[in-house]
Amino acid sequence: DTGVSQDPRHKITKRGQNVTFRCDPISEHNRLYWYRQTLGQGPEFLTYFQNEAQLEKSRLLSDRFSAERPKGSFSTLEIQRTEQGDSAMYLCASSLGVASNTEAFFGQGTRLTVV
Amino acid sequence: AQKVTQAQTEISVVEKEDVTLDCVYETRDTTYYLFWYKQPPSGELVFLIRRNSFDEQNEISGRYSWNFQKSTSSFNFTITASQVVDSAVYFCALSEAWRDMRFGAGTRLTVKP
Repeated sequence: DTGVSQDPRHKITKRGQNVTFRCDPISEHNRLYWYRQTLGQGPEFLTYFQNEAQLEKSRLLSDRFSAERPKGSFSTLEIQRTEQGDSAMYLCASSLGVASNTEAFFGQGTRLTVV
Repeated sequence: AQKVTQAQTEISVVEKEDVTLDCVYETRDTTYYLFWYKQPPSGELVFLIRRNSFDEQNEISGRYSWNFQKSTSSFNFTITASQVVDSAVYFCALSEAWRDMRFGAGTRLTVKP
């Protein structure tokens, strides 16, 4: 499978626990994005990387959230001290290029449920 | 600031009807890109089309067509002779040069047999 891969597909955690999600982009893609989608809403931008550099972060990304992309390959998104409001689908996407003019390919997402 | 508005929350049509999904955008940039994505019940977002701000030509791909009008800041999507398999949530998105992609709230299309 050469598409964007996300792991795990589903995660249930207790409030206050830390969780980490992984995204493997399409191999030659240098841009990687994280989005969050709640029921009935469009994806909301969280952050993106150009190679290993994190170029932009949304104000939605509180200090409990951190993302990394070591060596410009896979990326991880960690949420510390999870809250019920963090329950959502977390989407990863990747694209090729240095500008934003190419289409992004999305993974199937990680559904997080905080109980 | 970039913003996308999809005023139609839900649309329901009967198979073979034509349907148009509206998208209005706001941007201060002269260089930007517009996209449509489809999210079927399986959940994975599927890319449909990309348009840059310098290309106002309408595009047709099979039963799908797109009408880009800078004068009204709109990028509407029409499905001709709709089919049940077209049932999905459709998202319009805007990306200013060098920045991330911002999505509208989506339009849920239901095509009934």
